[in-house]
Amino acid sequence: EERLVESGGGLVNPGRSLRLSCATSGFTFGDYSVNWFRQAPGKGLEWVGFIRSKTHGATTEYAASVKGRFSISRDDFKSVSYLQMTSLKTDDTGIYYCTRGGVTIFGVAWVWGPGTTVSVSS
Amino acid sequence: DIQMTQSPSPLSASVGDRVTITCQASQGVRRYLNWYQQKPGKAPKLLIYDASNLETGVPSRFSGSGYGTDFTLTISSLQPEDFATYYCQQYDNVPYTFGQGTRLDFK
Repeated sequence: EERLVESGGGLVNPGRSLRLSCATSGFTFGDYSVNWFRQAPGKGLEWVGFIRSKTHGATTEYAASVKGRFSISRDDFKSVSYLQMTSLKTDDTGIYYCTRGGVTIFGVAWVWGPGTTVSVSS
Repeated sequence: DIQMTQSPSPLSASVGDRVTITCQASQGVRRYLNWYQQKPGKAPKLLIYDASNLETGVPSRFSGSGYGTDFTLTISSLQPEDFATYYCQQYDNVPYTFGQGTRLDFK
């Protein structure tokens, strides 16, 4: 069974940093892209960014709202993706989900983790 | 950015009803349109990809259609477990964008 589990969420002051992890199992992690999404309390879904597989250069794309502040990386040996978040704002509060994308199709979120909650508040 | 607009929202229906949710893109996204279902307190789940392809394990009462700017998600006979929020999402262009969601609740 393909599985993703996010961790690292918590309460953080504005301006601080946080790193989320996405541990995966049940598939060959290195072959696939990874998307990150978020959902503010009571709101809809928002795409944060994605990282392609190393076959596709492990390159990344980001939403404008996080570009320059957030960074997605991957460790194929550990089958883990990371979302490094810096200069956090109150608007970054929400549930963060990692998802398995496709090998060459990056924009379909085939499998979702349960999410981890990030609260940015003073 | 491509804007995705869903209608109606919310949508009230009864078990056994046939329901249709529409999603309109502000510019053409070819067939690169997905539908997700989200229940309260849970992560979303992929239902339909590439406008009309049913994800493995999703009941056949769900179907999708459309191309370009206009898309629909249809549930042929509503079951109790289908009451949830549905989102469309385009992935033709970065940034990937979602509709605002359609909450489907009991009439």
